[in-house]
Amino acid sequence: EPEVTQTPSHQVTQMGQEVILRCVPISNHLYFYWYRQILGQKVEFLVSFYNNEISEKSEIFDDQFSVERPDGSNFTLKIRSTKLEDSAMYFCASSLGQLVSGNTIYFGEGSWLTVV
Amino acid sequence: SQKIEQNSEALNIQEGKTATLTCNYTNYSPAYLQWYRQDPGRGPVFLLLIRENEKEKRKERLKVTFDTTLKQSLFHITASQPADSATYLCALGENTGNQFYFGTGTSLTVIP
Repeated sequence: EPEVTQTPSHQVTQMGQEVILRCVPISNHLYFYWYRQILGQKVEFLVSFYNNEISEKSEIFDDQFSVERPDGSNFTLKIRSTKLEDSAMYFCASSLGQLVSGNTIYFGEGSWLTVV
Repeated sequence: SQKIEQNSEALNIQEGKTATLTCNYTNYSPAYLQWYRQDPGRGPVFLLLIRENEKEKRKERLKVTFDTTLKQSLFHITASQPADSATYLCALGENTGNQFYFGTGTSLTVIP
């Protein structure tokens, strides 16, 4: 079965450093997402991306965050200057079409970010 | 304020019994509701979606109900197996856009 792949699986970074998390969505999917889950807490929406632009973002997704689809296969999340509270598991996801139309969203295995 | 609440305690049941998990919400008008399974350290895996105009949906041993009057969804796993042990998440989606909101999850343990 096709899957969403994420790298790295785990990254430790110093506070203030920039981090790029990478994702390869399922190849024919058109909608891409980033979610995060702080340890022991619920999964939270960050951003959705369609047609090469952000379609929705949450309050969490402030100016420190950016997303990019640099080529036809990768989808990246950049955190410009990491803070301790950015430590979380970051999940990339993709779907063929809009979720409200009944399309399934597929999550990757996550990238665990630890900011020290 | 908006809330999505799932069983507050972890749920332990005997193998073969039916597990019933609840998802209650306030101050949302969801167009659909989804259930996911999440294993430790892994990403959520989609299980079922039910729309606001559907009362019940089934898939193999899984059954979901959706009561928009009670603002509640119930998720049932019949003939439960130890392999069903995981955290189960409900998520609400609205009529526009692709954003949806997860509940806190319920940890289910099926005891052999």
